[in-house]
Amino acid sequence: ETGVTQTPRHLVMGMTNKKSLKCEQHLGHNAMYWYKQSAKKPLELMFVYNFKEQTENNSVPSRFSPECPNSSHLFLHLHTLQPEDSALYLCASSQEIRWGGDTQYFGPGTRLTVL
Amino acid sequence: AQSVSQHNHHVILSEAASLELGCNYSYGGTVNLFWYVQYPGQHLQLLLKYFSGDPLVKGIKGFEAEFIKSKFSFNLRKPSVQWSDTAEYFCAVKGGSQGNLIFGKGTKLSVKP
Repeated sequence: ETGVTQTPRHLVMGMTNKKSLKCEQHLGHNAMYWYKQSAKKPLELMFVYNFKEQTENNSVPSRFSPECPNSSHLFLHLHTLQPEDSALYLCASSQEIRWGGDTQYFGPGTRLTVL
Repeated sequence: AQSVSQHNHHVILSEAASLELGCNYSYGGTVNLFWYVQYPGQHLQLLLKYFSGDPLVKGIKGFEAEFIKSKFSFNLRKPSVQWSDTAEYFCAVKGGSQGNLIFGKGTKLSVKP
C-alpha cells in the first residue's frame, strides 16, 4: 500500500544539523498528522493539520517545526535536536478530523538517529 | 485525560492457538475504537474499527473485536493464529468526534510455527 509515503526512511544527524522529513498522501484526505514512536512508549501525537491549518501542537519543543503547504504534503523541520529525539517518526492522514467516521492511515515512518 | 491500557506486553503462542488481546480505555463519552497492526519492518495498518452499531466487529485476516461498553473494553480475538500473525498490535481510542487518537503501548505477538 502506498497511500502515505515518507522520505527519507532513515536519517542520521548531528545535534547541530538541520534536516526535514517529508510526508505525502495520495488518498485525497484533508487532515495530516505527525507522531513519534519510541520504544516501550505509546505513540505520541505531535501535530495535527486539518485543511492546511494547524489544529494541535501537543507541547512539542520548538526544535520541531511542522509545515503543511497543502493537504497532500506535510513536512517536519528538525533543528538542534537532542539524542533523546531519536525515534521513529510517523505521518498519518485521514479524511477530516471532525468527521465521525474518521480513520487514520499511516506511512512507513522515518527512523531518526541523533548523534 | 483519556488513556488506553493494553495488559500484555508480549504474548507467545503456538500456531492454531486462540488469541485474545486485552484493551481497556478511560473515557466517559462516545468513543471510536481501533486496532492497528504493525508487521516486522512494515507500517501501521488498520485491522478493524468500531464506530457504532453491532459491538462485535470483524476485520481483516480473521480478526474480530468486541466492544463492551460497561467494561470500557475492546478486546481483539482470533480463533486460530498463524505464524504470519507475528506482529505488534496497537489498540487506539478516539473520544468524541473531535478527539485525538490515543494509543496503547502495544502488544507484541510471537507465533511459533
